[in-house]
Amino acid sequence: DSGVTQTPKHLITATGQRVTLRCSPRSGDLSVYWYQQSLDQGLQFLIQYYNGEERAKGNILERFSAQQFPDLHSELNLSSLELGDSALYFCASSVGGGRNEKLFFGSGTQLSVL
Amino acid sequence: ILNVEQSPQSLHVQEGDSTNFTCSFPSSNFYALHWYRWETAKSPEALFVMTLNGDEKKKGRISATLNTKEGYSYLYIKGSQPEDSATYLCAPFHAGNNRKLIWGLGTSLAVNP
Repeated sequence: DSGVTQTPKHLITATGQRVTLRCSPRSGDLSVYWYQQSLDQGLQFLIQYYNGEERAKGNILERFSAQQFPDLHSELNLSSLELGDSALYFCASSVGGGRNEKLFFGSGTQLSVL
Repeated sequence: ILNVEQSPQSLHVQEGDSTNFTCSFPSSNFYALHWYRWETAKSPEALFVMTLNGDEKKKGRISATLNTKEGYSYLYIKGSQPEDSATYLCAPFHAGNNRKLIWGLGTSLAVNP
């Protein structure tokens, strides 16, 4: 158990809908990362937060947004969903977000857009 | 866009065999190299983070080396066991790359008992 909690584990929804994925980092970790894993694709970095502030941004679509709250949990909002958004979404956390800090991954949310 | 290559893409070995994989990455502006192990139906788990040229790290039967000048890292598994079956991912961190890890597609290892 990595100590990172993601909910829900599975989500099935329809095109055009909006969903929210939630992540609670390990106790003491200030940095949260969101990744997307699609079939035949490597882990695609979406966005990183550090202590409530956005630190780095990857190939996150404009339809997607995220935030980190004062209690350090984070939410990833996906709107106007398309079939291609079906993927496994991982959250990871690290202590300070430094380049040589190990990431601890949650178990992921499997999103299916029908 | 940085190019991270891992080879081979997949590997099947017998229990007891030793094996190794390669991660290649651009050598310029290098900061750190991460290795992760990803078992099926689980989430990626950190193995090593290396930063200096010539670094060697070891965890049980798994070890890794780093060559930052030529831009590669090797991961070795000595005496493979069925529980080593997983996908092994590498991810370098480069300066000026929007402060993010770039992940390879991984080497999928299957160890037959």
